[in-house]
Amino acid sequence: EPEVTQTPSHQVTQMGQEVILRCVPISNHLYFYWYRQILGQKVEFLVSFYNNEISEKSEIFDDQFSVERPDGSNFTLKIRSTKLEDSAMYFCAGTGGSYNSPLHFGNGTRLTVT
Amino acid sequence: DQQVKQNSPSLSVQEGRISILNCDYTNSMFDYFLWYKKYPAEGPTFLISISSIKDKNEDGRFTVFLNKSAKHLSLHIVPSQPGDSAVYFCAASAGNNNDMRFGAGTRLTVKP
Repeated sequence: EPEVTQTPSHQVTQMGQEVILRCVPISNHLYFYWYRQILGQKVEFLVSFYNNEISEKSEIFDDQFSVERPDGSNFTLKIRSTKLEDSAMYFCAGTGGSYNSPLHFGNGTRLTVT
Repeated sequence: DQQVKQNSPSLSVQEGRISILNCDYTNSMFDYFLWYKKYPAEGPTFLISISSIKDKNEDGRFTVFLNKSAKHLSLHIVPSQPGDSAVYFCAASAGNNNDMRFGAGTRLTVKP
């Protein structure tokens, strides 16, 4: 079964540094998402992406965050200047886009900001 | 943002017995509800869903019940197996996945 692949599995960075989290969605998916889960807390929606543009973003997704699908396969989340509170598991997800289709998640990238 | 609530952080049941995981929501616009299962070091995996036009959906050992008037849904696993031990997330959306909201999760432990 096709999988959503995320790299790296764990990223450690210093506060203020830029990080790029990478995702390779399932090839026939059309809608792409980033979610995050701070340790011990719920899974939170960050942003959705369709047709090469952001379709919706949450209040968490401020100017420090950006997403790109540069080559039609990779889907990246960039945090320009990381803060301690950005430490979390970041999950990429995708769906084919039919009404009420479940999201397929990757295994996540654990981001640790020190 | 507490639109989806799972008030039990953990649940422990004996193998072979029924596991009942509960979820409450506040947004009356939600019309699609899902349960995801998550093992350590993995992403959430879709388990079962229900549309608001139904009150029950069954898939093998898993059944989801929806009570719209109470804004409550539950996941029943019977019989429970040790391999079911995981964190279960309830999620809800209002017509499209952009609005999907997750609960905080319930950690289920099934003891042999």
